[in-house]
Amino acid sequence: AQSVTQLDSQVPVFEEAPVELRCNYSSSVSVYLFWYVQYPNQGLQLLLKYLSGSTLVKGINGFEAEFNKSQTSFHLRKPSVHISDTAEYFCAVQVGAGFQKLVFGTGTRLLVSP
Amino acid sequence: DVKVTQSSRYLVKRTGEKVFLECVQDMDHENMFWYRQDPGLGLRLIYFSYDVKMKEKGDIPEGYSVSREKKERFSLILESASTNQTSMYLCASRFPESSYNEQFFGPGTRLTVL
Repeated sequence: AQSVTQLDSQVPVFEEAPVELRCNYSSSVSVYLFWYVQYPNQGLQLLLKYLSGSTLVKGINGFEAEFNKSQTSFHLRKPSVHISDTAEYFCAVQVGAGFQKLVFGTGTRLLVSP
Repeated sequence: DVKVTQSSRYLVKRTGEKVFLECVQDMDHENMFWYRQDPGLGLRLIYFSYDVKMKEKGDIPEGYSVSREKKERFSLILESASTNQTSMYLCASRFPESSYNEQFFGPGTRLTVL
């Protein structure tokens, strides 16, 4: 069974500092990778996705992620965070094309303080 | 924009009650999903539906059933609610024609079973 590991349950950071949220997955076959964000009291919203091609993927709100096949990782980064980035972030993987379910990680809560 | 709506944001029920959680999407998506979200566990798939009147068990279907009589509506049913079903429930939908498409989420229903 596929699994997604988000190594940090909570990441505290000061405003304007850089941040990296880590994600590793278990599959050795082709995968599609996603990062979703959940703001307080809201549903999930897609930040970015990796399907193929360039391993550096840019998303909304200044976030980007890098796909590393050899390390089976898809870490999310932002060079300078804002208070409004405080949210929970979920990494998810879909194995193969066609109808396949998403497998989600356990989430990382990003806490940005002034 | 895709809109996924859920009938209630907050719901309080008593043990043994039959509970209906409703989800409606307005973008003619074939695929629909029900997840539950618990702290430290991320999102876990309860049931999904390829299309009208079709349903498949997800990873944690026990204690739940679903109904999909119309394409836009996917209902989650707790036949006899128990306290361990207290959770956040998220509905999602997806247009399946692109094999690596994103899921669009509703705002969630926070269910408390007393």
